[in-house]
Amino acid sequence: KAGVTQTPRYLIKTRGQQVTLSCSPISGHRSVSWYQQTPGQGLQFLFEYFSETQRNKGNFPGRFSGRQFSNSRSEMNVSTLELGDSALYLCASSYYRDTGANVLTFGAGSRLTVL
Amino acid sequence: DQQVKQNSPSLSVQEGRISILNCDYTNSMFDYFLWYKKYPAEGPTFLISISSIKDKNEDGRFTVFLNKSAKHLSLHIVPSQPGDSAVYFCAASAREYGNKLVFGAGTILRVKS
Repeated sequence: KAGVTQTPRYLIKTRGQQVTLSCSPISGHRSVSWYQQTPGQGLQFLFEYFSETQRNKGNFPGRFSGRQFSNSRSEMNVSTLELGDSALYLCASSYYRDTGANVLTFGAGSRLTVL
Repeated sequence: DQQVKQNSPSLSVQEGRISILNCDYTNSMFDYFLWYKKYPAEGPTFLISISSIKDKNEDGRFTVFLNKSAKHLSLHIVPSQPGDSAVYFCAASAREYGNKLVFGAGTILRVKS
C-alpha cells in the first residue's frame, strides 16, 4: 500500500512569490494534516482537513492556506513568501479523526527554500 | 508556549547500552503520547505510543513510560543499535484536538559502534 506522497520534494522560491505544495494521503485516509518543521522548532501544526473541511488550524498567519479535494488529496499554499518560511513542510494522513488516539503517517516532506 | 519539551538536544550512547530519551509536557488535557523517529531526508516514522490510562507500553526494544503526576514520559531503547541513530520526537494529543499533534523540538540520538 502506497504511503503518503508529497510533491515537489524540493523547491526554491524568492521573497514575495507564492508556492503550492501537494499531498496524496494513504488510500482510504480522509484526514490530512500539515506541519512545518524548522531547525530547533520541532514540528508546528498548520492545519487539518477531514472530508474536505478544515477541522483545526494552528497559529500561522493567513498567508498559509490549504484545501482538500473530494479524493482526499490536499494542497497547501503560502503567499507572499518570507525568508522565515524556509522549512520542511510535512503532510500526514490518518483514517480516523475523532478518537484522539490516532497515529499519523507522514510523507517525506517538501523542502522549501526562500531566497 | 511550548507545551511539549524535550530538554536534551542530543544524546550519545554506546552500542548495546540503554538509550533514555525524555519528554515533559504542561497541558493536562493531553491523553495520548507518541514517539516518532526521523532520519534525514525522510518523514517522521511512528515508533510507539501510550495512552494516559497506562504507565508503560513495550514494543520489542522500545518501551515508553508515562508519569502523569510529573507530566513526564520517557522512551527507553534497549539494546541500542547504530541504526537507531536519528532524531526522536515526542508528541502529544488530546481527544478534543482531533488529529492535532503537539511536538517537542526533538532529540538527536547517536549510537556509537
